[in-house]
Amino acid sequence: SQTIHQWPATLVQPVGSPLSLECTVEGTSNPNLYWYRQAAGRGLQLLFYSVGIGQISSEVPQNLSASRPQDRQFILSSKKLLLSDSGFYLCAWSVLQDSYEQYFGPGTRLTVT
Amino acid sequence: AQSVTQPDIHITVSEGASLELRCNYSYGATPYLFWYVQSPGQGLQLLLKYFSGDTLVQGIKGFEAEFKRSQSSFNLRKPSVHWSDAAEYFCAVGAYGSGTYKYIFGTGTRLKVLA
Repeated sequence: SQTIHQWPATLVQPVGSPLSLECTVEGTSNPNLYWYRQAAGRGLQLLFYSVGIGQISSEVPQNLSASRPQDRQFILSSKKLLLSDSGFYLCAWSVLQDSYEQYFGPGTRLTVT
Repeated sequence: AQSVTQPDIHITVSEGASLELRCNYSYGATPYLFWYVQSPGQGLQLLLKYFSGDTLVQGIKGFEAEFKRSQSSFNLRKPSVHWSDAAEYFCAVGAYGSGTYKYIFGTGTRLKVLA
């Protein structure tokens, strides 16, 4: 069966520090991968998605970037965190042939201080 | 442009009472519609989905939703709420573009259940 992992689960970082959040999927090949952010009191906003290795699409301009170095690995990064980057970050995957249904990971709670 | 509206930010119901969470969408084609639930600090769990066919969709945990094209709505219902249903609920529409489906989420409805 397929599983999705995110780490770390919780992270507290000072303003201006770098960030790296990792998401990996097991049990499937060539998935579509997604990064969402849920800010306090808001819904979920799609940040990035990837349909293949090295292929990244950005939905909103921001302080973050994403990379997909391997088929089932999706990384969210920042060189210098802002207070506004605080939130709950969710990774999701979908099967290429069935891409309208997405499966979400457990999330990473990021607090920028 | 596609959008999803959940007009109720907070809803409080008593345990055992019925529940209806509202969702309205704007989408040019036949939508793929979803309801997710999120417990505090957790990821999202799919409750149910609508792709086509019967407009009344049954999901997990006793939830159901009805797709009404004429009203552009996909409201979530449960006949008798349990205390464990307290959570945040998200409606989403799947929009296709650039080789994949992207979800457009509503802002969520937070459900509180009174004992």
